[in-house]
Amino acid sequence: DGGITQSPKYLFRKEGQNVTLSCEQNLNHDAMYWYRQDPGQGLRLIYYSQIVNDFQKGDIAEGYSVSREKKESFPLTVTSAQKNPTAFYLCASSGGRGGNSPLHFGNGTRLTVT
Amino acid sequence: AQSVTQLGSHVSVSEGALVLLRCNYSSSVPPYLFWYVQYPNQGLQLLLKYTSAATLVKGINGFEAEFKKSETSFHLTKPSAHMSDAAEYFCAVRTDGNQFYFGTGTSLTVIP
Repeated sequence: DGGITQSPKYLFRKEGQNVTLSCEQNLNHDAMYWYRQDPGQGLRLIYYSQIVNDFQKGDIAEGYSVSREKKESFPLTVTSAQKNPTAFYLCASSGGRGGNSPLHFGNGTRLTVT
Repeated sequence: AQSVTQLGSHVSVSEGALVLLRCNYSSSVPPYLFWYVQYPNQGLQLLLKYTSAATLVKGINGFEAEFKKSETSFHLTKPSAHMSDAAEYFCAVRTDGNQFYFGTGTSLTVIP
């Protein structure tokens, strides 16, 4: 079945360490996205990529970095510069530029930094 | 920037009662609108999307939404709530720049 795979589901890190969250899709979608979810704040866009080797900052990109070397992969690195990294991270993809093409989501990675 | 507003962060209904979750969007760009549902510790699942073919959109699990341009609204309804409907619901809009923006979510509780 086609879908988006995020791994791991739970991730624990010590403060000051960088950590990379994996996101892989086999939907052949061009666009991929990373969102952060915190209680009561909905989803906030971190980075998005509309094509391989290109990506744009979202609303809360500070302290994060991404790469898009392959169409199917869009890893997110949470750096030590991110002041409050503990959150639920969601990866998504979209298959077309049509206005009503929806986002498809992975099951998320819950990151806890202590 | 295009945005959506969800009124009511928590809604409680009795089992079998009408579910109404509210969403308003800003009117500056074409309304590419979506509703998603999220169960605990999972990703978001698409409930329905506005296609402009009809103002009343039917989705999965018995949900539907009505697009009202005059009110810039896209409220989600279901005639009869089930216990399994308890979840978080998000309204979202897609911009011409291919970005998606989400409301802050509404947590639905279904009382037996």
